Amino acid sequence: DTGVSQDPRHKITKRGQNVTFRCDPISEHNRLYWYRQTLGQGPEFLTYFQNEAQLEKSRLLSDRFSAERPKGSFSTLEIQRTEQGDSAMYLCASSLQGAWTEAFFGQGTRLTVV
Amino acid sequence: GESVGLHLPTLSVQEGDNSIINCAYSNSASDYFIWYKQESGKGPQFIIDIRSNMDKRQGQRVTVLLNKTVKHLSLQIAATQPGDSAVYFCAENGDTGNQFYFGTGTSLTVIP
Repeated sequence: DTGVSQDPRHKITKRGQNVTFRCDPISEHNRLYWYRQTLGQGPEFLTYFQNEAQLEKSRLLSDRFSAERPKGSFSTLEIQRTEQGDSAMYLCASSLQGAWTEAFFGQGTRLTVV
Repeated sequence: GESVGLHLPTLSVQEGDNSIINCAYSNSASDYFIWYKQESGKGPQFIIDIRSNMDKRQGQRVTVLLNKTVKHLSLQIAATQPGDSAVYFCAENGDTGNQFYFGTGTSLTVIP
């Protein structure tokens, strides 16, 4: 499969625990995006990378959230001290810089904080 | 954040009919607009985009119309098929240009 891959697909965690999600973009794509989607809503932008550089972060991304893309390939999104309000689908997308409007999304990681 | 909204949350059409999904946007600085399709349990899938210097763009069975005067975007799907049943989102890139603001979505149901 050459699409965007996210792991895990589902995560249930207790409030206060830390979680980490992984995204493997399409191999030649240099842009990588993280979005959050709650039920019935459109995706909300969190952050994006161009290669290994994190170029933009949303105001939604509190200090408890951190994202990395150390080698410009896969990316991780960590949420510390999870809260119930963090329950959502976390989507990763990738694109080529020259075709950045055509982003390819993964199937997402569904986080449930109990 | 930006305000991207859809006029109708749900739309039902007969198979074979044409579908029109509408979207209003608020930021006149946006220069890219995109339509995405999201099927249940999957991530959004790119359908078509349009730049602000265009008012119409056609793809395979889809046409996007942009009216900058009234900040309105529409997606037309010709000869709608059961496989078109999904939630459709419009998105705009806003001031920063490198991210997209998505609307709430319209759920399209195709009746066989």
